Amino acid sequence: AQKITQTQPGMFVQEKEAVTLDCTYDTSDPSYGLFWYKQPSSGEMIFLIYQGSYDQQNATEGRYSLNFQKARKSANLVISASQLGDSAMYFCAMREGPASGGSYIPTFGRGTSLIVHP
Amino acid sequence: DSGVTQTPKHLITATGQRVTLRCSPRSGDLSVYWYQQSLDQGLQFLIQYYNGEERAKGNILERFSAQQFPDLHSELNLSSLELGDSALYFCASSVGDQPQHFGDGTRLSIL
Repeated sequence: AQKITQTQPGMFVQEKEAVTLDCTYDTSDPSYGLFWYKQPSSGEMIFLIYQGSYDQQNATEGRYSLNFQKARKSANLVISASQLGDSAMYFCAMREGPASGGSYIPTFGRGTSLIVHP
Repeated sequence: DSGVTQTPKHLITATGQRVTLRCSPRSGDLSVYWYQQSLDQGLQFLIQYYNGEERAKGNILERFSAQQFPDLHSELNLSSLELGDSALYFCASSVGDQPQHFGDGTRLSIL
């Protein structure tokens, strides 16, 4: 079974609008972390936001917030007030806990391509 | 700037050749991870080093090898290159269970 599922291959949003990128995950480990990365067309992978499984509050970083719904095993990324520079691939990833032997290797989803229209 | 440095940015070579990709982690990060990103396979974990020792292995071919040196920089060696090895190779570093920070990648093209 896929550990990370991103069901939206592509998304379009109008500049200044908010957009939600979906991510669901599958784990039986009580301790895990969820990440989102942005990959612009130039290729680099940019870390955006992190949510730990025990964190009580949803993570926020500027215009990025992570809508963490533990019971549903979802970790959607919300981008508020989209900008043209937000056009990129977005990857959701999960790192499972110490049962992985301390290697902390994340599993990545296949990504969602976001295009922001002027 | 993630603080992770990868060189070279681009590499063009021929089938059968050998190349070395280099990575300097962020200051203070002991773990280095190597990934391969291709269109059909997505982002694939290859190998992890922690403070000079191999910690975990992923989908790394036998033709590929890596090491982490005492100054914590790491090298990924790819040999007997095939057309299918053309990809973007990333290095990432982290401390403990904190998020990984990625370098800008090395784009490898095999002709």
